[in-house]
This record gives sequence, C-alpha cells and structure tokens, in this order.
Amino acid sequence: QVQLVESGGGVVQPGRSLRLSCAASGFTFSSYGMHWVRQAPGKGLEWVSFISDDGSYTSYADSVKGRFAISRDNSKNKVYLQMNDLRHEDTALYFCARDGEDDSFDSWGQGTLVTVSS
Amino acid sequence: SYVLTQPPSVSVAPGKTAIVSCDGNNIGSKSVQWYQQKPGQAPVVVMYSDTDRPSGIPERFSGSNSGNMATLTIIRVEAGDEADYYCQVWDSSRDHWVFGGGTKVTVL
Repeated sequence: QVQLVESGGGVVQPGRSLRLSCAASGFTFSSYGMHWVRQAPGKGLEWVSFISDDGSYTSYADSVKGRFAISRDNSKNKVYLQMNDLRHEDTALYFCARDGEDDSFDSWGQGTLVTVSS
Repeated sequence: SYVLTQPPSVSVAPGKTAIVSCDGNNIGSKSVQWYQQKPGQAPVVVMYSDTDRPSGIPERFSGSNSGNMATLTIIRVEAGDEADYYCQVWDSSRDHWVFGGGTKVTVL
C-alpha cells in the first residue's frame, strides 16, 4: 500500500533553515508528482509546493516562493523541502502528498511539525 | 489569486443530511476535490473530479459543481462523519493548488 513518511521537523529560530524529507513506498515513485501541504496549529490546509514526476517542473505558493525549494531523488524514492529564512508564520505541520491521476491529493503522510521560535 | 470560500461550520443531527458549500468564481469550470480530516489525522480524499468517490468512501457522500458553487452532501449522517472538510481546486492560471478554508461538520 502507498506509504508516505515525513521527517526533519523540529524547533528552529527565525531566519534559520530546515530540510524536510518524505520517504515514499508502495508505488512507482518516479511516475507521480508530489506536493507539500502545511497546516498551521488550529488552522486550515495550505498548499506549499509541487514537483513533477521527473523533477523538471516545480511550483510554489506565493508565501514561500524564493525561500523554499522542493526537490526529489527518484533513486531513493524521496522528496525534499528545503526551507530557508524561516518565519514565525511558517510554523505548521507539513504533509507530503501524492498528486493523484484523478486531480486529487490521493495519499498523504502523517506530517512533520516545524516550529519557528526564538 | 483564486479564492475558495466555505462556511466555518455546519451542524447536523444524526440521520439527517449535511451540505457543505464551496464558493469560487466560475468554480463550475474546474475540477473540485473534497477532503475529510479528523482530529490528529491526515486528510483523506472523499470526492474527486466533482462527483467521483474513491473506493472505500460510502455512497452516502456525493458531490456537485455548477456555476460559482460546489457542494459536498452527506446523507444519513453518522457520528463518524464528524470532521473538518476542505474543498480544493487547481488554479490553472497560476499553476497553483488552492484549498478552501475548511468546514467543521458537527453531528449533534
């Protein structure tokens, strides 16, 4: 079955960097685009970034463009989110999700928590 | 940027029908997905491409999309349906994915 496991979250000071990872299994990873979605405490879902199946195309929400970078390693079945110049408002649970063939985010991990605090 | 507007909350008695709306400019021209999120859990897709249910989602769940509003309808509501529900579309003009603000469905 499809499994997505995020890691790399933690407490970080404003202005610092953090890299999140998402390990995928149970499907042909190189055939699917992948997303990062975040959820601030007590708030709704916010799409963050997308990367195409071969990594040649990426897209970012305005709130993170220029600070975050998504990448993937199809040989390791992993997708990454490099987060730079972190701000208090980046505090959230970060989910990775698979871009389904049916237009949906069809599988989700359980998330990794990022807390930006001095 | 494209905006999806949902009511913050919907309350419904067990066995009755819950309707969750999702308003967006000409949303009828887009493909709408709906996600259910229970406390402490990751979201799960309950409807895709406006009206299609993934396997394992009860037939009690249905969707529609026309004009400026999409809806998720849950008939014969059960206590286990209590959750936050989010609509989502792809904004092709910016190649961004957009979520609505979410609706908390409370079963009385």
